[in-house]
Amino acid sequence: QVHLVESGGGVVQPGRSLRLSCAASGFTFSSYGIHWVRQAPGKGLEWVAVISYDGSDQYYSDSVKGRFTISRDNSKNTVYLQMNSLRAGDTAVYYCAKDVWSGSSTRQFEYWGQGTLVTVSS
Amino acid sequence: QSPLTQPRSVSGSPGQSVTISCTGTISDVGAYNYVSWYQQHPDKAPKLIIYDVNKRPSGVPDRFSGSKSGNTASLIISGLQAEDEADYYCCSYEGTNTYDVFGPGTKVTVL
Repeated sequence: QVHLVESGGGVVQPGRSLRLSCAASGFTFSSYGIHWVRQAPGKGLEWVAVISYDGSDQYYSDSVKGRFTISRDNSKNTVYLQMNSLRAGDTAVYYCAKDVWSGSSTRQFEYWGQGTLVTVSS
Repeated sequence: QSPLTQPRSVSGSPGQSVTISCTGTISDVGAYNYVSWYQQHPDKAPKLIIYDVNKRPSGVPDRFSGSKSGNTASLIISGLQAEDEADYYCCSYEGTNTYDVFGPGTKVTVL
């Protein structure tokens, strides 16, 4: 049974940093790309970043490029999202999600975690 | 601003069928057969209901189906049930992994 569990959310002041974690189980973690998707309160889904199955490629949305860094540790079945220079507009529930297909990402999200709330406020 | 467009809302009575459209461009929906649909109930994580345009994950009822024509994908819910009331999002691969390709979401109301 596939499980994705996010952690690390909380309240942070503008300009500060936060690191989210996504612990995975129930599948061959090192074979799948993992995404971060966020949802601001009352708003729609927004894709944030993806890391390839082996960590060699990372891609970001324009809204977070240069501020967020995605990484993974396949020995720990965990993906991270380092968020720097946080802004009020980054306030959202952050979900990690596993790609449908192994190998190259197709931007299709088969399993999702329960999400972790990040609130950026002074 | 999302490059994909969806109707803001659709509604239907129990047992009826509803269709949600998702219009993109020749660079995303029109270029790849990697269109997916997600159902989200309030305060819940999204759930994959269609992938690769028209495939259903295990456990998803067959009243959910997907199709694509040109730059427009569609989700059809046949035999609408009360539990289908939710928000539905489409998503498309765009080849470069550099821009957001979620649709804005469609609220389905069961009358």
